[in-house]
Amino acid sequence: EAGVAQSPRYKIIEKRQSVAFWCNPISGHATLYWYQQILGQGPKLLIQFQNNGVVDDSQLPKDRFSAERLKGVDSTLKIQPAKLEDSAVYLCASTLQGGVTEAFFGQGTRLTVV
Amino acid sequence: AQSVTQLDSQVPVFEEAPVELRCNYSSSVSVYLFWYVQYPNQGLQLLLKYLSGSTLVKGINGFEAEFNKSQTSFHLRKPSVHISDTAEYFCAVTYAGNNRKLIWGLGTSLAVNP
Repeated sequence: EAGVAQSPRYKIIEKRQSVAFWCNPISGHATLYWYQQILGQGPKLLIQFQNNGVVDDSQLPKDRFSAERLKGVDSTLKIQPAKLEDSAVYLCASTLQGGVTEAFFGQGTRLTVV
Repeated sequence: AQSVTQLDSQVPVFEEAPVELRCNYSSSVSVYLFWYVQYPNQGLQLLLKYLSGSTLVKGINGFEAEFNKSQTSFHLRKPSVHISDTAEYFCAVTYAGNNRKLIWGLGTSLAVNP
C-alpha cells in the first residue's frame, strides 16, 4: 500500500514570504493530521481533519497558518507570512480511525525561514 | 489537563545492555497507547500499540511494553539493544472520548554506544 506522500521535502524561504505544503494520505484514511516538529521536540498538533471537516485546530496560529482538505482526501497547509520561529519539520499523518488506530507519517517537509 | 510524560529526555546505554524508556499518562480513563520511533532524518513509525487485551505488548525490532493501569504507565523495554536502535522514541496516548486526539510525549533520545 502506498504511504503518506508529502511535498516538497525541503524548503528555504525568507521571513515574511509565504509557503505551502501538500499531503496525500493513505487511501481510505478518514483522519489527517498536520504536525509541527521543532528540532529536539515532539510533534505538536496543528490541525486534525476528519474527512473534510476540522476536528481540532486549537494550536494552529490562525493569523498566519491555514489548512484545507477539500474533498476529504489530500490537504494543503499554508503559512503566510512566515516567521523565523516557523523553521521546523512539518509532518502529515493519516489514520483509518482517529487516534484509535495507527498513524502513518509522511517523510515531512523541512522548512527553513531565513 | 490530559497529558503524557516521558520521564527521561536522554538515555545513554551500551550495546547489548537492557533498556527501559518510561512513559506515564495522566488519567485512568480508557486509553489507547502507542510508542513511535524516529530514526535520524526519517519520519515517525509505529513500534507497538495497546488498544485492549493482554497488557504485555510486543512490537517490532524486539521491543515490548507493558500497560499498567494502576500506575498509569506504559514503559518500553528491550532486553538487549543494538547500535541501530539509536533514535528518538515517542510515547503517545489517545484518551477515550477526547475527539480521538493523539497526545504526544516530548520524546526520549536513546543513544546506544559500542
